[in-house]
Order: sequence, then C-alpha cells, then structure tokens
Amino acid sequence: GAVVSQHPSRVICKSGTSVKIECRSLDFQATTMFWYRQFPKQSLMLMATSNEGSKATYEQGVEKDKFLINHASLTLSTLTVTSAHPEDSSFYICSAREKAGGRTDTQYFGPGTRLTVL
Amino acid sequence: AQSVTQLDSHVSVSEGTPVLLRCNYSSSYSPSLFWYVQHPNKGLQLLLKYTSAATLVKGINGFEAEFKKSETSFHLTKPSAHMSDAAEYFCVVSVPSGGYQKVTFGTGTKLQVIP
Repeated sequence: GAVVSQHPSRVICKSGTSVKIECRSLDFQATTMFWYRQFPKQSLMLMATSNEGSKATYEQGVEKDKFLINHASLTLSTLTVTSAHPEDSSFYICSAREKAGGRTDTQYFGPGTRLTVL
Repeated sequence: AQSVTQLDSHVSVSEGTPVLLRCNYSSSYSPSLFWYVQHPNKGLQLLLKYTSAATLVKGINGFEAEFKKSETSFHLTKPSAHMSDAAEYFCVVSVPSGGYQKVTFGTGTKLQVIP
C-alpha cells in the first residue's frame, strides 16, 4: 500500500521556538495533503488541507499564521508551528491523497509526530 | 453537511469472539466510507473502504464492513477477535465539497480484547 512518512516522530522544544514537521509520500504522488491534530483520547481534528503549489485551506479556528503549511512538491508537505506554547503540545498527523487517476478517495496516514512544548 | 456517529466509545470482547463496531453516518451525497485503526502512539492504518461498489467490503486482518444505505450504517465486524486487534478504530465519511473531498472522522471506538 501507499506509504506516508513523518519526521520527526517526537520533538520537545522550549516555549517560543518554532518547530517544523515534514510529511512525505514515499511511493506515490500526493496532490493533496492533510494535517490533523489529535488530543489525548480524542478523535482527529482536521487543521488544514494543502494542495501542491497553492495555499493551504485552514479549518475554522485554526490560526494560519501560527501553523504554517507548505506543500512545495507532490511528495512533501511541511507544517511549522511558530512560537510554540505548551498548549500546542499534541499529536500531529498528516495524510496524503494520491494524484487524480489513482485511488483518489483514500487518505494514507503518516505515523504522527508527538510535539511537547516545555 | 455530513456527520459520523460511532455509537460506542469502548467495546470489550473476549479473544476468539466476534467483534462489532458500529458506525452511522449522514450525508447529502453518496459518501465514501472508511475504517481506520490506530494503535497507541501510532498513525492510522486503513482497514477497508466503501466507494459505491460492492456493499460488503472486505479489509485487512479479517475485518469486513457492510454498507447499508437504508440504515445509513457501515458497521465493522470480525468473526474472531485477536489480542492484536486491541486498538482505537475510526469510522470516516468522505463527500465531495467544492471540488474537493471533505472528510469527517467519528469520535473513535476503543476495542479491548480480553484473553
């Protein structure tokens, strides 16, 4: 099946610093990538949808200046948490959907990144 | 607008007994439906999906789900639970919206398997 990787898997940072998380589709081209946030014992909350070469679409309530998303290529999207604070601590998961003509409906998920802000 | 309801937040079964995880959805359009599994501190793995083909969908690890339009349900079943099935399961609905696919997650069902 399609494989999506995330890096890093865990990151601990000081309050006020910025953290970048990478999401890569390893064996397919992803026209669209999604970023989710998951709080403990809760479901996934969609933060934003990013399409290659265009600006990300953010869900209501998600600060686009705080969570910067870049989808520069068909295999890579990055999420940068700027000026991180302890309340940003969470599990961040990305997913990728294949380019049109493939299995366009299915999202393939990365393994997640555990962010802890001290 | 669409929504997904997972009726049980926790399900506990004995090893070797059947598993039933319930999911109901609402959607104005013909939806695509998915089940994902998440093991602790891991990402999500696709178990199976329904995309308007056969209503009985077989997935990995012996799981299957049946799409019942009249009941707006997409329940996940497995004949015999294994210890390794203990995890969180998410039902997901995907519908077209503004040229894209809008995805909505259920709140998840935690499956406990008792030896």
